[in-house]
Amino acid sequence: SQQGEEDPQALSIQEGENATMNCSYKTSINNLQWYRQNSGRGLVHLILIRSNEREKHSGRLRVTLDTSKKSSSLLITASRAADTASYFCATDRGGGSQGNLIFGKGTKLSVKP
Amino acid sequence: DTAVSQTPKYLVTQMGNDKSIKCEQNLGHDTMYWYKQDSKKFLKIMFSYNNKELIINETVPNRFSPKSPDKAHLNLHINSLELGDSAVYFCASSQVGTQYFGPGTRLLVL
Repeated sequence: SQQGEEDPQALSIQEGENATMNCSYKTSINNLQWYRQNSGRGLVHLILIRSNEREKHSGRLRVTLDTSKKSSSLLITASRAADTASYFCATDRGGGSQGNLIFGKGTKLSVKP
Repeated sequence: DTAVSQTPKYLVTQMGNDKSIKCEQNLGHDTMYWYKQDSKKFLKIMFSYNNKELIINETVPNRFSPKSPDKAHLNLHINSLELGDSAVYFCASSQVGTQYFGPGTRLLVL
């Protein structure tokens, strides 16, 4: 079964608002990653958080990880129209499965100017 | 400079044909991957190669055969194409952790 599940499936906000996306997973992980995919393009890595980390920041992005609840969230602050894209979480179980990323179904974010 | 490139970008073909997709990375990474993204945007790993050796082979029909002539290239050959093979195929590479994706090859089987 699928490892990562994003919530919500779709999110529509106004420019300047914050966007929060959640991801839940089922098994233990080595790290969790967030990727962005613009329409018709490949995935772009945003941020990686390791299993022993609880929060990480990168520019307007803030990622949290709660391994006890097997969940992560991605917060985009002060959103811009250019943030419109699909966002995917991906889990890496490490060990012999290192690099075998399990992707969720994604959250489609629409930021209206 | 393109980090991970794929050719062709679009591929339209008839059922039963055999086709290949090529991937090249100039990042010096040891590991390369093939993913399939279906019409619902679900992305699933197919294969992974590390230094030309197969390390991940998910449940994929044996009509799909990856080949890595060197660690900068990972090609995907598909025999006897079926309608259900229509999807976007992404190549990716990594050293540790972060994966870098190519632009995708949109395959349509008629």
